[in-house]
Amino acid sequence: DAMVIQNPRYQVTQFGKPVTLSCSQTLNHNVMYWYQQKSSQAPKLLFHYYDKDFNNEADTPDNFQSRRPNTSFCFLDIRSPGLGDAAMYLCATSKQTGENTEAFFGQGTRLTVV
Amino acid sequence: GNSVTQMEGPVTLSEEAFLTINCTYTATGYPSLFWYVQYPGEGLQLLLKATKADDKGSNKGFEATYRKETTSFHLEKGSVQVSDSAVYFCALSDNTGGFKTIFGAGTRLFVKA
Repeated sequence: DAMVIQNPRYQVTQFGKPVTLSCSQTLNHNVMYWYQQKSSQAPKLLFHYYDKDFNNEADTPDNFQSRRPNTSFCFLDIRSPGLGDAAMYLCATSKQTGENTEAFFGQGTRLTVV
Repeated sequence: GNSVTQMEGPVTLSEEAFLTINCTYTATGYPSLFWYVQYPGEGLQLLLKATKADDKGSNKGFEATYRKETTSFHLEKGSVQVSDSAVYFCALSDNTGGFKTIFGAGTRLFVKA
């Protein structure tokens, strides 16, 4: 089945140690998103790619970076994780054509910072 | 800018009760509207959508109608089940907003047997 896959489901990292979260999609969607979701809150958009064009949200900390080497893969790099970066990180994709603008989500990666 | 406001939870209902979760939006263009559901420890799943005024989205007994005049997209279900317990997010996507999906704060629903 076509889908959005995030790896790993659970990630534990040390304070200040760089960590990379991965997302892949088989939907061939042109837009990929990274959201941060903290407990009992709405997902907060960090950035998104429209094809190869990177779009950063104004309030996304510089500590967060992203790479999209091809249509299928997108990575979230946290350069120096702090305790406040512990959260669920959600990858999503969308097609953005005609009426098909809904986002399809992966199962998320829960990041713990110790 | 675009925004979504939905009723605060948690909402606690008995099985077979009627559910309404209110959602209103602000958008500069003509957005598509969505309801997503999130079960514990999982990502978000699209529950239903509506892409233009007066459209009704429906799925699994849930319905919502796109009301442009009241800028609303309220979620309803006639008879909830214990398995409907989850967090529900109202959302919009507007191409004038850069192809982003904007979420409301979410409403947690508990259904008691």
